[in-house]
Amino acid sequence: EAGVTQFPSHSVIEKGQTVTLRCDPISGHDNLYWYRRVMGKEIKFLLHFVKESKQDESGMPNNRFLAERTGGTYSTLKVQPAELEDSGVYFCASSDTGNGYTFGSGTRLTVV
Amino acid sequence: GEDVEQSLFLSVREGDSSVINCTYTDSSSTYLYWYKQEPGAGLQLLTYIFSNMDMKQDQRLTVLLNKKDKHLSLRIADTQTGDSAIYFCAVPYSSASKIIFGSGTRLSIRP
Repeated sequence: EAGVTQFPSHSVIEKGQTVTLRCDPISGHDNLYWYRRVMGKEIKFLLHFVKESKQDESGMPNNRFLAERTGGTYSTLKVQPAELEDSGVYFCASSDTGNGYTFGSGTRLTVV
Repeated sequence: GEDVEQSLFLSVREGDSSVINCTYTDSSSTYLYWYKQEPGAGLQLLTYIFSNMDMKQDQRLTVLLNKKDKHLSLRIADTQTGDSAIYFCAVPYSSASKIIFGSGTRLSIRP
């Protein structure tokens, strides 16, 4: 079974630019989560999809962040325009039952 | 809201036991987790414990749960250089629509 795949693994962009991160969950997993770890701090929840619907987006920091999951398969997280404080590692996870999360390797985003 | 606390660093000698501690403020979860992140890699589920247990052993790993004190610990016996990583305690919150992570404990091994 393929795991959770995230693309790209690294991204370096200038402040003000747009970046789109992609997550392919394990096939058949209805639950998809986005998390991020900023500057060596704790891993913080961003949002949770159940299929294509946003179940909980309470962790989204501001309206520069837009997450989508059209068709309930892969998900994208767009940051527009990126700011310096958005630098960090963005993790995606999926699960079928809401327990037993499987995480991807993360996307390391650097905004310069 | 839920708060999960861990110490940031732990250094142990190779062959000794490592004990990583975690405290949390609230949990309605059925499971509590330990994740491991090796350099350049993603988060790997290391082990978990069901909330009605107070201990779980899995080879070199022992998880202890004290629900009264809201304290979770991970013991690694015979610590090896390959155990060098950041270890995250994670606790599902509320309706389990999300899990809350601690800040991670960086384990380093001395020869």
